[in-house]
Amino acid sequence: DIQMTQSPSSLSASVGDRVTITCRASQNINDYLNWYQQKPGKAPKLLISAASSLQSGVPSRISGSGFGTDFTLTISSLQPEDFATYYCHQTYNIPRTFGPGTRVEIK
Amino acid sequence: QVQLVESGGGLVKPGGSLRLSCAASGFIFSDYYMSWIRQAPGKGLEWVSHISNTGNTIYYADSVKGRSTISRDNAKNSLYLQMNSLRAEDTAVYYCVRDGGYSSGWKLDNWGQGILVTVSS
Repeated sequence: DIQMTQSPSSLSASVGDRVTITCRASQNINDYLNWYQQKPGKAPKLLISAASSLQSGVPSRISGSGFGTDFTLTISSLQPEDFATYYCHQTYNIPRTFGPGTRVEIK
Repeated sequence: QVQLVESGGGLVKPGGSLRLSCAASGFIFSDYYMSWIRQAPGKGLEWVSHISNTGNTIYYADSVKGRSTISRDNAKNSLYLQMNSLRAEDTAVYYCVRDGGYSSGWKLDNWGQGILVTVSS
């Protein structure tokens, strides 16, 4: 199975801060990497597919990059609605494993 | 708009069975792969199972393989997950999710609200 790790596991940041979350796969997954945002008590929401493709309706301050084993999710200027948990997810092969999540909290 | 509504969850004793259903609307159900994803209380996301649009291709996580069966009825726009020999570790919110398939990179682009399954004596 492909293991996904994320760092940090949590972070505290202020509105307006630039935030970067890293996701690493245990083997090459090309760009079969998606990012999801989840707020408490809600279903996850797809933010980015294929490592860098921003989904319709997702604000442009959110971006993704990477290929192979190392990926990043960046929020260029953190907004109040961005406080949530973020998960990466590889779809290169079965089982389609998720990272453990990164919780973004208000400083 | 796309709607996915799960039902069939609840409290079940260890060793018991449960059938989750998901009613889909707002898109051509028979065009899409579908997945079940679960989340134990306070934990992360876990991929459970995935079925092709025709139902011919099915995969399971090792954690549920042999105990669970995913199926679909395209005429009824419905997805199912039959879960048997339930264990305490199956306690989770189960999400019905639309899967964009190979051409989309298998992105999970629409999620239901989730249904809680609690396995406890």
